[in-house]
Amino acid sequence: AQSVTQLGSHVSVSEGALVLLRCNYSSSVPPYLFWYVQYPNQGLQLLLKYTTGATLVKGINGFEAEFKKSETSFHLTKPSAHMSDAAEYFCAVSGGIYNQGGKLIFGQGTELSVKP
Amino acid sequence: EAQVTQNPRYLITVTGKKLTVTCSQNMNHEYMSWYRQDPGLGLRQIYYSMNVEVTDKGDVPEGYKVSRKEKRNFPLILESPSPNQTSLYFCASSLKLASTDTQYFGPGTRLTVL
Repeated sequence: AQSVTQLGSHVSVSEGALVLLRCNYSSSVPPYLFWYVQYPNQGLQLLLKYTTGATLVKGINGFEAEFKKSETSFHLTKPSAHMSDAAEYFCAVSGGIYNQGGKLIFGQGTELSVKP
Repeated sequence: EAQVTQNPRYLITVTGKKLTVTCSQNMNHEYMSWYRQDPGLGLRQIYYSMNVEVTDKGDVPEGYKVSRKEKRNFPLILESPSPNQTSLYFCASSLKLASTDTQYFGPGTRLTVL
């Protein structure tokens, strides 16, 4: 079984500051990990995903995340926040090819606010 | 343009009045699913379909029905809606499996049941 915990339902940063959104997971099989972003009044879109291979994953809009197996974490970072980054971010986990039902488990979401 | 469309975008109804939310994708994806999004709970899967005529329950299927008669369409049916089904609903599709492939989400349907 898989589960996801996102630490902090709301994070606020200043424009230009580092963005760090935390995600911890549990999985009984090698996990596939995803970050999705939801802008106001829109559906979710994929930011980045980890399947296998390189543990540092780069995504769209300058975001990246690092898979740390020993810490069961997949934190999302961006060196310099922009006003347009204000959105809700969801971390998700699956069992990848081991998941016969193809299900994705989402965290509860973290709302990012960016102050001018 | 590759997209997932949902209709309606907003719906206010009353308890017990059957409704259908349509979902259509134009990417020839095999996998489609429905989620509901509630504050503090993230997205929870209601039903999914791995191909035409193949559907299965997700984590919160009670009170919902689905069908997959064509590859592109995956309607969500609420036979007798209740106020606890007031929520934001998303349809999503992916090439094969949600667990490995990128999911593409529709714009959402905000449902209020009075």
